[in-house]
Amino acid sequence: DAKTTQPNSMESNEEEPVHLPCNHSTISGTDYIHWYRQLPSQGPEYVIHGLTSNVNNRMASLAIAEDRKSSTLILHRATLRDAAVYYCILKRPRGAQKLVFGQGTRLTINP
Amino acid sequence: DAGVIQSPRHEVTEMGQEVTLRCKPISGHNSLFWYRQTMMRGLELLIYFNNNVPIDDSGMPEDRFSAKMPNASFSTLKIQPSEPRDSAVYFCASSGTTFEKLFFGSGTQLSVL
Repeated sequence: DAKTTQPNSMESNEEEPVHLPCNHSTISGTDYIHWYRQLPSQGPEYVIHGLTSNVNNRMASLAIAEDRKSSTLILHRATLRDAAVYYCILKRPRGAQKLVFGQGTRLTINP
Repeated sequence: DAGVIQSPRHEVTEMGQEVTLRCKPISGHNSLFWYRQTMMRGLELLIYFNNNVPIDDSGMPEDRFSAKMPNASFSTLKIQPSEPRDSAVYFCASSGTTFEKLFFGSGTQLSVL
């Protein structure tokens, strides 16, 4: 399985943008890039996913490098509620299959 | 929809006892996943089902662990006998036919004394 590499931790200030990087140099042509986050004492929750083009939803934006070997999750205006562990995961496009979580990035938001 | 429902939320038991964790997936979802989370090992996939059939149980630690899915709306994870090293948060998740997103329950915090 292709692996992802993320920084262990990041820190940002409330109401500022946050850019969370993920490296996936061994990504295959059909792997989707998924992001989940886990708030304290909760189960992980889906954030966003994409294949090649940049994606936006109400929670975040996903910027994917042209060679697809890296991606960045963008929180446009961080709030204290965005403090969580963020996981970048590669997933094949079809079929029920396991989602393998790495260690993720622990994001701290300062008031 | 109520989301993925897990019970109990907390379980404290003594070593050697049988523990049964329960999960009700989101109605209409046909894939179900059991994960375990510890500080040391992070989130580990134990087993997953598709259409009630176990597809991959390679993450199940040992024979003390077993999982069943008798129908589309219910699954159990059983540990017999339990050991202190089984202490962890156990999450259940489900996904629909597009497999785009996993929806996780709130987890069961298991403590084996």
